[in-house]
Amino acid sequence: NAGVTQTPKFQVLKTGQSMTLQCAQDMNHNSMYWYRQDPGMGLRLIYYSASEGTTDKGEVPNGYNVSRLNKREFSLRLESAAPSQTSVYFCASSEERGSYEQYFGPGTRLTVT
Amino acid sequence: AQSVAQPEDQVNVAEGNPLTVKCTYSVSGNPYLFWYVQYPNRGLQFLLKYITGDNLVKGSYGFEAEFNKSQTSFHLKKPSALVSDSALYFCAVSPTGANNLFFGTGTRLTVIP
Repeated sequence: NAGVTQTPKFQVLKTGQSMTLQCAQDMNHNSMYWYRQDPGMGLRLIYYSASEGTTDKGEVPNGYNVSRLNKREFSLRLESAAPSQTSVYFCASSEERGSYEQYFGPGTRLTVT
Repeated sequence: AQSVAQPEDQVNVAEGNPLTVKCTYSVSGNPYLFWYVQYPNRGLQFLLKYITGDNLVKGSYGFEAEFNKSQTSFHLKKPSALVSDSALYFCAVSPTGANNLFFGTGTRLTVIP
């Protein structure tokens, strides 16, 4: 099992450019999440999907959109990148929400210049 | 508002000595509590969780955590530290019925040989 995979690993964008971060899990999990990690701030939830076909906003959704393409895949899109979106992005999945532990991907390091 | 505090940014301990990484939380109800570890350039890995029951929870790699409801704390402990335990540790809380985790800002543990 690969677990949770993310592409790309690294990306540099210019302000105003768009891109999509891809995430896939092979554990048949229902719930998937996108976080960003910034120094000194821990991880903050951007969006989550409690089950296939549903998505909801987290703590910091502004400037992002998501798509739960199927049970396996959950993508994060930046429509018009800003320097404030420079961060490390992690995708995670869990069997269900709440008491179930989350499994994290290796992360995408994004720099917006 | 939900919050998780890890009061120490950095903890240093000698190899073989016991270690403690502190976590306190402010969440309504009876939350689920988690510890995760992050090694350099990697995603977070689940260590242990408290859902209900015994206040002392055992997890991966010899770690354990003690839940204290009156002090709203969930400190991570290990009886004998290894150099390989050096990493960034995150405490996280999932309020009952919530869809996501709230993370602390992380504590960097360094085990000195």
